[in-house]
Amino acid sequence: QKEVEQDPGPLSVPEGAIVSLNCTYSNSAFQYFMWYRQYSRKGPELLMYTYSSGNKEDGRFTAQVDKSSKYISLFIRDSQPSDSATYLCDTGGGNKLTFGTGTQLKVEL
Amino acid sequence: NAGVTQTPKFQVLKTGQSMTLQCAQDMNHEYMSWYRQDPGMGLRLIHYSVGAGITDQGEVPNGYNVSRSTTEDFPLRLLSAAPSQTSVYFCASSPQRGLGLGEKLFFGSGTQLSVL
Repeated sequence: QKEVEQDPGPLSVPEGAIVSLNCTYSNSAFQYFMWYRQYSRKGPELLMYTYSSGNKEDGRFTAQVDKSSKYISLFIRDSQPSDSATYLCDTGGGNKLTFGTGTQLKVEL
Repeated sequence: NAGVTQTPKFQVLKTGQSMTLQCAQDMNHEYMSWYRQDPGMGLRLIHYSVGAGITDQGEVPNGYNVSRSTTEDFPLRLLSAAPSQTSVYFCASSPQRGLGLGEKLFFGSGTQLSVL
């Protein structure tokens, strides 16, 4: 079993839709949780991070962590074509991060 | 600041050849790392360094060597390339010596490597 599981998609939604991206993780010692966005042929860039259970909001993006069920979510409101990218969840503790495989999202006009 | 710079962007090797992927950062970051990204496998850590002179293995270190003689540079060496090493390679850095507090990783733009 991989330490972080993520549905690879692809996920296709119409512009303006609410998008829900999810990951599960197995190691209860993981302390922090991040979402990276990766455009085609580019390196990942940090989108959101949180250290605790609950919600963190930044504009159209909300990161949610439920440590009791080891579940991580990213919600995108009013999705735009510019949100089309691969989204990677990332968690860990210490010097080694564990990434999910990434979910490919396409927002269509 | 240029950030994290990787060279080359593309490379084709024959089986058994050796080469070095270059990574340099101008942000004075202590932590540097190498990942490979394969379809369906996500990002997997190859090697990492928490400072000059200190390196350690990640999840998939076999077939790769690293060294960290300066804070700025963290080259990745393939000693005898194999087709299984065909992948996209990313270098990443972070300000702190360790990632215990979840410090942000800054990624380079990647090197696409094909081994024939």
